[in-house]
Amino acid sequence: GQQVMQIPQYQHVQEGEDFTTYCNSSTTLSNIQWYKQRPGGHPVFLIQLVKSGEVKKQKRLTFQFGEAKKNSSLHITATQTTDVGTYFCAGPWGGSGNTGKLIFGQGTTLQVKP
Amino acid sequence: DGGITQSPKYLFRKEGQNVTLSCEQNLNHDAMYWYRQDPGQGLRLIYYSQIVNDFQKGDIAEGYSVSREKKESFPLTVTSAQKNPTAFYLCASSQGSANYGYTFGSGTRLTVV
Repeated sequence: GQQVMQIPQYQHVQEGEDFTTYCNSSTTLSNIQWYKQRPGGHPVFLIQLVKSGEVKKQKRLTFQFGEAKKNSSLHITATQTTDVGTYFCAGPWGGSGNTGKLIFGQGTTLQVKP
Repeated sequence: DGGITQSPKYLFRKEGQNVTLSCEQNLNHDAMYWYRQDPGQGLRLIYYSQIVNDFQKGDIAEGYSVSREKKESFPLTVTSAQKNPTAFYLCASSQGSANYGYTFGSGTRLTVV
């Protein structure tokens, strides 16, 4: 069946270091979405990428969508303690979005040491 | 402010009891979803609904039931048939397809005692 995989599962960094999480889908996706869940909180939508090779930035966060639309990455420059949490990628079930449901990756949990 | 409200925040259930988790949204979203999250794990889809009076099973629907009588409301019942119900339950809504981002509620933590 369709899978969305994220690596690494956990990452511990020193404050100020960079961080990257990778997301790979078994099928081509019409879009990829990223969410952040703070400890004890709920997932919050960060961004959606739609175009092949698309790159979007939100302050210190850089999101990329692969040329084949099967992989994506989230890079955080100079991490801060406020970046702590679990980052999930998600893509449409069936690849196209018509089913209305997303399949989520397992998430990457980021810990930042001050 | 528009959003999704889940209640209660914490819920304790005795074995053999059915419990109902509430989810209400005022975003005028067509689609609503229920996910289960276990410690250190991702999100698993229980049920979803793209339109009033219609819903579909997700990956782990056994032991759960839902209704969608109103656009704003999508309650989830955890029945006694659910063998391991202790988890964090998240409700979400979207404009109707998976081409739009989800808005999540703040979740309900269910514990079986």
